[in-house]
Amino acid sequence: NAGVTQTPKFQVLKTGQSMTLQCAQDMNHEYMSWYRQDPGMGLRLIHYSVGAGITDQGEVPNGYNVSRSTTEDFPLRLLSAAPSQTSVYFCASSYLGRTRGELFFGEGSRLTVL
Amino acid sequence: GQQVMQIPQYQHVQEGEDFTTYCNSSTTLSNIQWYKQRPGGHPVFLIQLVKSGEVKKQKRLTFQFGEAKKNSSLHITATQTTDVGTYFCAGHRGNKLVFGAGTILRVKS
Repeated sequence: NAGVTQTPKFQVLKTGQSMTLQCAQDMNHEYMSWYRQDPGMGLRLIHYSVGAGITDQGEVPNGYNVSRSTTEDFPLRLLSAAPSQTSVYFCASSYLGRTRGELFFGEGSRLTVL
Repeated sequence: GQQVMQIPQYQHVQEGEDFTTYCNSSTTLSNIQWYKQRPGGHPVFLIQLVKSGEVKKQKRLTFQFGEAKKNSSLHITATQTTDVGTYFCAGHRGNKLVFGAGTILRVKS
């Protein structure tokens, strides 16, 4: 069971370039989300989705787009990368329920924007 | 900014000493979850508390959820070097799971 798979693990971009971070889960989870992790700031929610065709903004959505065309995939798009987007990005998924489920994280994608 | 506050930001203890991290929210949480992230790794789920005043134990780890469901704590008894990492609390606001900034634990052997 692969769990949550993120690609790429490392990426270097120049300011203004665009890219997509891929995330796939094979646990049939309804809920998927993207977080960024910066030193001293913990994990901040970028976007999340409660099912195919449904997405919503988190705490820090500016500069990022998402879509959820299937239950399995939840790509994160940077349209015009900025140095402030240098961070470690985590995709995570869970079941939805009355008491919510534990979040399963991918291994992370380290992005550097020059 | 962070809507779930976590303290301390950093703690360095001698192996065998106890460790506690605290989590506080300005609003009532439907539940609280705790995660551990080893250096260079990804967060891994430890436990979820749902009921007011709930206390759960996992070996040397004790988790508490406050009566008002606005605060929580994680206590580690007799720390070991394997406890090193960052401990995060997280609470649901609707469908959003909001994390605290985390407490970094270092253990001197």
